[in-house]
Amino acid sequence: DGGITQSPKYLFRKEGQNVTLSCEQNLNHDAMYWYRQDPGQGLRLIYYSQIVNDFQKGDIAEGYSVSREKKESFPLTVTSAQKNPTAFYLCASSETGNRYEQYFGPGTRLTVT
Amino acid sequence: EDQVTQSPEALRLQEGESSSLNCSYTVSGLRGLFWYRQDPGKGPEFLFTLYSAGEEKEKERLKATLTKKESFLHITAPKPEDSATYLCAVQARGATNKLIFGTGTLLAVQP
Repeated sequence: DGGITQSPKYLFRKEGQNVTLSCEQNLNHDAMYWYRQDPGQGLRLIYYSQIVNDFQKGDIAEGYSVSREKKESFPLTVTSAQKNPTAFYLCASSETGNRYEQYFGPGTRLTVT
Repeated sequence: EDQVTQSPEALRLQEGESSSLNCSYTVSGLRGLFWYRQDPGKGPEFLFTLYSAGEEKEKERLKATLTKKESFLHITAPKPEDSATYLCAVQARGATNKLIFGTGTLLAVQP
């Protein structure tokens, strides 16, 4: 089955620690995205990548970092500089060109205490 | 500034009671409008893409329509399994695949 996998489903960390969230897709999509979802707010874009070895900051990139070394993988690191890291993190992918719908993974819920 | 507003925030229906969800948008040139369904604790599931005013798409009990200022998601004779949060998103021309999301409508269908 083609799709997007995110791991782990739940993640707990102590304040001051960096943590990396995994995202893998086998849809052969060129573009990948990371969003953050908080209660009462729309999804907010953290980073996106349209091609391997290239990525751009989204609307809330501060305190986050990404890499895109392989087409299938787009890991997100939440650094200790992120002031409010507790949230639900969603990875998505899409084709580039004329079809823009993004397909989402199951999400990772990160809790930092 | 590009913006998406969804209403109502929450909607409770009886099984079989048809209704509509609204998505109003202001964007500098619409490239596409997207509807997603999200169940609690899960990622959004893609439903529809609409590209131009007058376009309509249907899937089972759901029908999405688009005008120059808003989109409606019509739910006909809903069932309890239609209970979810429905998200609307828009992509502006020149936005390089970036989507702007509304905050969603939480739909509860009671048997």
